[in-house]
This record gives sequence, structure tokens and C-alpha cells, in this order.
Amino acid sequence: QQKVQQSPESLIVPEGGMASLNCTSSDRNVDYFWWYRQHSGKSPKMLMSIFSNGEKEEGRFTVHLNKASLHTSLHIRDSQPSDSALYLCAAWAGNTGKLIFGLGTTLQVQP
Amino acid sequence: DAGVTQTPRHEVAEKGQTIILKCEPVSGHNDLFWYRQTKIQGLELLSYFRSKSLMEDGGAFKDRFKAEMLNSSFSTLKIQPTEPKDSAVYLCASSLLGGRLGEQYFGPGTRLTVL
Repeated sequence: QQKVQQSPESLIVPEGGMASLNCTSSDRNVDYFWWYRQHSGKSPKMLMSIFSNGEKEEGRFTVHLNKASLHTSLHIRDSQPSDSALYLCAAWAGNTGKLIFGLGTTLQVQP
Repeated sequence: DAGVTQTPRHEVAEKGQTIILKCEPVSGHNDLFWYRQTKIQGLELLSYFRSKSLMEDGGAFKDRFKAEMLNSSFSTLKIQPTEPKDSAVYLCASSLLGGRLGEQYFGPGTRLTVL
């Protein structure tokens, strides 16, 4: 079973709409969550990280974290076709020094 | 600054062949990771080096996969012998010790097809 679970598997939103992606870890040693974005045919690139309870906003992107439930979510407002990509959630555990990635959510923004 | 470079970008191998993939991390980075990416399994960690020392050898991938860090700026991943199920994209990533935890820079990847 994946230690990092993402939902939904795929998501279609209209241009200008809000996209909401979810991620949960089953590893109680997780310290940090990362969101990476991977456009088709490209390599993953860092988007945002969060390690404190609450939310963090960067432009159109907002990340929430609930450390008690080890649940994080990524929200993209005013979605653009260029946001169409695979969004990977990754959990970093200090005791291992490595990232565990989820399978990702494929987001498609329709013009 | 140059990012992570990987060569070759594409590789086609016959079953049973030996192939070697190459990676140059971002200059000054201490940690280097090799991943395999498929649609079914997602990103799987194959090997992890810290300052050239092997920290993780990927468990299930040990028997036919061998990663080496020849110096701080060059790493190889050898697959021997290759099998059709090894067809995937192989990604190399690096990060800076003391940088943001979990912040990894990925190379463009090598797409391997095993016939």
C-alpha cells in the first residue's frame, strides 16, 4: 500500500475554476509535505512545501496542512490551461532523509 | 547555474543487455537520488547518496540495479541484465544538505525501452 495517498486520481476543471487536490500520509514520522508539478514529457519541479499547521499562499496556489491527520491539500484558483499537469505530493520524514511520493493527480484545465 | 543533466535522453536495449545511465547533479549539491517513474508505480526510489556515500540501495531493486557515485559531480546507474519490465523513465535528482528539507532538483530523465 502506498504510504502517500493522493486523490482524486484525475480532475478536470474549467479555465478560471478552482482545483482542489488531496494528499494523506500513513507515516507518523513525516515532517514536511511537498507539492511537485510535472508537465507532460517533463521532469517534476518543486511547487510548494509546508510543515506547519495551517495554510500557505503563493499567488494562485494555496496549501493547507493538518499535522494531526497528516493531510495536506493544494488549491489552485483561477486555473489556467498551463496548470494542466501531474501534481505529485511528497512526504519527507526526518528519520529517513528521503521523499516518498504519491502516484499523483492529473489535472486538466479546459479552455 | 547548470541544473541536473542526464544522458542519454533515450535508450533502447534488447532484453539481457547491460545499460548505463549517467547523471551530473547541480554543482555543490550533496545528495543524489535515482528514481524510476512509471504510470502504475509512480516515482520509486532506486538509490540515494549523501556526499558520495550510499544511504539507500532501493531494496527490491538491488539485484539488477547498481548505482555508483564516482565523484561528487558524476553518478551512474547500471542495469544488468535488462528486462522488458524495466521500461520506464529514469530520473536523477539532487539536493543541497542544509537546504530546504525535501527540496529536490530533477534532471530531464532517460526514457528506457527494453525490447
